[in-house]
Amino acid sequence: DTAVSQTPKYLVTQMGNDKSIKCEQNLGHDTMYWYKQDSKKFLKIMFSYNNKELIINETVPNRFSPKSPDKAHLNLHINSLELGDSAVYFCASSLPTGSGYTFGSGTRLTVV
Amino acid sequence: AQSVTQPDIHITVSEGASLELRCNYSYGATPYLFWYVQSPGQGLQLLLKYFSGDTLVQGIKGFEAEFKRSQSSFNLRKPSVHWSAAAEYFCAVGSAGGGADGLTFGKGTHLIIQP
Repeated sequence: DTAVSQTPKYLVTQMGNDKSIKCEQNLGHDTMYWYKQDSKKFLKIMFSYNNKELIINETVPNRFSPKSPDKAHLNLHINSLELGDSAVYFCASSLPTGSGYTFGSGTRLTVV
Repeated sequence: AQSVTQPDIHITVSEGASLELRCNYSYGATPYLFWYVQSPGQGLQLLLKYFSGDTLVQGIKGFEAEFKRSQSSFNLRKPSVHWSAAAEYFCAVGSAGGGADGLTFGKGTHLIIQP
């Protein structure tokens, strides 16, 4: 049983397209996150949701829109994709105490 | 604002040698500290974490880390490394008590193992 699952694992698309990445966790965690890992491997938080409510929205272009239909799911929709959006995107979830974070296996997005 | 510094971008060690990866953090209150490992093309695997109590923390794969509040450090160690330990290692800090702040990561240390 995968705790935090992301789909797709790989995504290759052309500039200007719109794409979505899905994330689901079966751990019963209340909080979910999206992180971006750039080409230099740096990991930076993009968004966090607590029980379907947006808590953190870091300096991310508004072409990126997270959606949480329920507390087990946090999807990421990206409009008008640009070359600079190429990265690995990780979904994660955590306990309310902040004592345990579980990451998905990542989605490698390549914009051509 | 919280931050994490991993001073070594690359470290090369010989197989069988000991290893220490450095991590310094900046945080206004009691931090939760984590070490993750990422093998090429893979996701993040938790090696160990520190919340409170004993400042020497044991993790998986024979790793340990020591929390030193006076030095704001949380260095990762392993007595003898195998070639399979070659990977990217990330130190991270989070808020004690949770909230939805997430983790702040260092920029990572790339570990190379020489035969």
